[in-house]
Amino acid sequence: SSELTQDPAVSVALGQTVRITCQGDSLRIYYASWYQQKPGQAPVLVIYDKNNRPSGIPDRFSGSSSGNTASLTITGAQAEDEADYYCNSRDSSANHLYVFGTGTKVTVL
Amino acid sequence: EVQLVESGGGLVQPGRSLRLSCAASGFTFDDYAMHWVRQAPGKGLEWVSGISWNSGSTGYAESVKGRFTISRDNAKNSLYLQMNSLRAEDTALYYCAKDIGGNWGDAFDIWGQGTMVTVSS
Repeated sequence: SSELTQDPAVSVALGQTVRITCQGDSLRIYYASWYQQKPGQAPVLVIYDKNNRPSGIPDRFSGSSSGNTASLTITGAQAEDEADYYCNSRDSSANHLYVFGTGTKVTVL
Repeated sequence: EVQLVESGGGLVQPGRSLRLSCAASGFTFDDYAMHWVRQAPGKGLEWVSGISWNSGSTGYAESVKGRFTISRDNAKNSLYLQMNSLRAEDTALYYCAKDIGGNWGDAFDIWGQGTMVTVSS
């Protein structure tokens, strides 16, 4: 099965910009989606189809993709953005399979 | 209000079975594929299984293939996960998630709060 690799942790100063990356062969074929998970809560979809935001997600969240790497950018990070972030895509090794990234802990300083 | 509510979790001995349920409301259930995603304590998310809107196709992670079976009852707006031959490594919070599309979309846009499964003797 495919794998998606993320940096374990990143930090960002309040109001600054942070980029979270996700690498994997499946991203050459499929779009990534991104999920925010705060402690004790269910994940929340923040970006899908590379750079679409569900209703209610602030526009400081954006996505991009190039080759085997997808990125989630938070422009003007807020304290409430401190959370774990996971990427996800379909698994290119077989039909009807999905894979999550290893997750990135974002700390807002 | 769009909502997914999981149930059926609990403490079970290794080798035994458990059936999880997910009750959906607030959207047209039979228009969308559905999935199960789990999270072991202190660990990341792991996709477990998915099923298309009409049960025409299913998928399973290698870690559960042959032991878990996903199903749905569109008349009851419900999703299920039959888990057999449970192992300690299946211990996790199991989430039900709605696909953004009907047939294997590219995202999961609605999640339940999860039901905890603990496999231990």
